[in-house]
Amino acid sequence: NAGVTQTPKFRVLKTGQSMTLLCAQDMNHEYMYWYRQDPGMGLRLIHYSVGEGTTAKGEVPDGYNVSRLKKQNFLLGLESAAPSQTSVYFCAVRLAGGYEQYFGPGTRLTVT
Amino acid sequence: DAKTTQPNSMESNEEEPVHLPCNHSTISGTDYIHWYRQLPSQGPEYVIHGLTSNVNNRMASLAIAEDRKSSTLILHRATLRDAAVYYCILRTQTGANNLFFGTGTRLTVIP
Repeated sequence: NAGVTQTPKFRVLKTGQSMTLLCAQDMNHEYMYWYRQDPGMGLRLIHYSVGEGTTAKGEVPDGYNVSRLKKQNFLLGLESAAPSQTSVYFCAVRLAGGYEQYFGPGTRLTVT
Repeated sequence: DAKTTQPNSMESNEEEPVHLPCNHSTISGTDYIHWYRQLPSQGPEYVIHGLTSNVNNRMASLAIAEDRKSSTLILHRATLRDAAVYYCILRTQTGANNLFFGTGTRLTVIP
């Protein structure tokens, strides 16, 4: 599998605080994705990137920003965290022309 | 986006075959059928995918109905490690080929 790592693994924020989640890959995959998963639900796409310097909105982009300055890193930012953003966040990567997404281990975020 | 319908949960005895159904009556002619699974406290992992013909790999088999409105993921011998949530997803061939996850089927394997 592609090496997909996520930093941090756990985080607790207070309402209104900001933070950045990092997704890093050690393979040369063009596509990168950020998903969130709420309890008992499937994953929902927040933002994605089809290459360095490009980003696009997914299903639930509000309250999040992303950047892809380097091909191997995809950053997800929360400028002013809200309790509704309490969730598990997953990053995934895919090779252009490929069919399989490889997922990271997830970041569990709690906003109080 | 084309939707899929799966049972919320299923049970299977260990070492017996498991057939996980998925309905996708609004599938378009170019949509691929993908299956992912999510083990407890992990990210999803790819299982198998297909377009029209049945497919086999080391993990599972995928049986696709002739009209493509339904499919079945087959685990030939369930093990305790197969206990997971299984997602049936339609992947379009347009745009960024994004995946849209539903709520999946939670498979419980009974020893």
